[in-house]
Amino acid sequence: EAEVAQSPRYKITEKSQAVAFWCDPISGHATLYWYRQILGQGPELLVQFQDESVVDDSQLPKDRFSAERLKGVDSTLKIQPAELGDSAMYLCASRKSGGADTQYFGPGTRLTVL
Amino acid sequence: GESVGLHLPTLSVQEGDNSIINCAYSNSASDYFIWYKQESGKGPQFIIDIRSNMDKRQGQRVTVLLNKTVKHLSLQIAATQPGDSAVYFCAEKGDTDKLIFGTGTRLQVFP
Repeated sequence: EAEVAQSPRYKITEKSQAVAFWCDPISGHATLYWYRQILGQGPELLVQFQDESVVDDSQLPKDRFSAERLKGVDSTLKIQPAELGDSAMYLCASRKSGGADTQYFGPGTRLTVL
Repeated sequence: GESVGLHLPTLSVQEGDNSIINCAYSNSASDYFIWYKQESGKGPQFIIDIRSNMDKRQGQRVTVLLNKTVKHLSLQIAATQPGDSAVYFCAEKGDTDKLIFGTGTRLQVFP
């Protein structure tokens, strides 16, 4: 069964450093999402892509976060500089277009900022 | 604004019993609802979904009930097993493409 791939699974960094996360959605899924999940809470949307275009980045802290999906397939989320409050699980999800609503999640990247 | 919440943060059940996890939503325009299971250190795993034109949908050992009158969603797990222990999230989709998640309910299964 096809799955969403993410790497790295774990990342420890010091504040003010730059970090990057990678996501490869399920093949053929045109819509890709990045979520942030704080321990004990539900995921919150950071950014949504339709193919290579950003559809919704209203909750993305653009002073330090950036996301790209240059070829409309895999995607990278970057934080620069990282802050202590960025410690969280970063989840990627994908969805097939054409009326399908189900989002499938990857295993996530657990970020710890020291 | 939109919000999705859960009544019980932790649910403890005995192995073999049925589990019921509840969820309240606030956006009456939401047309799609979904349940995810999340084990520790893993991403959310799709369990079952339902559209607003239905009030019940069944899967393997799971049933989702939707009551639009009181804006309530529930997940029923039959014959709960130790492998069902996890945090369960409900989420709703309204008139945008965005899924709004609740805070989750932890299900603990004891022998």
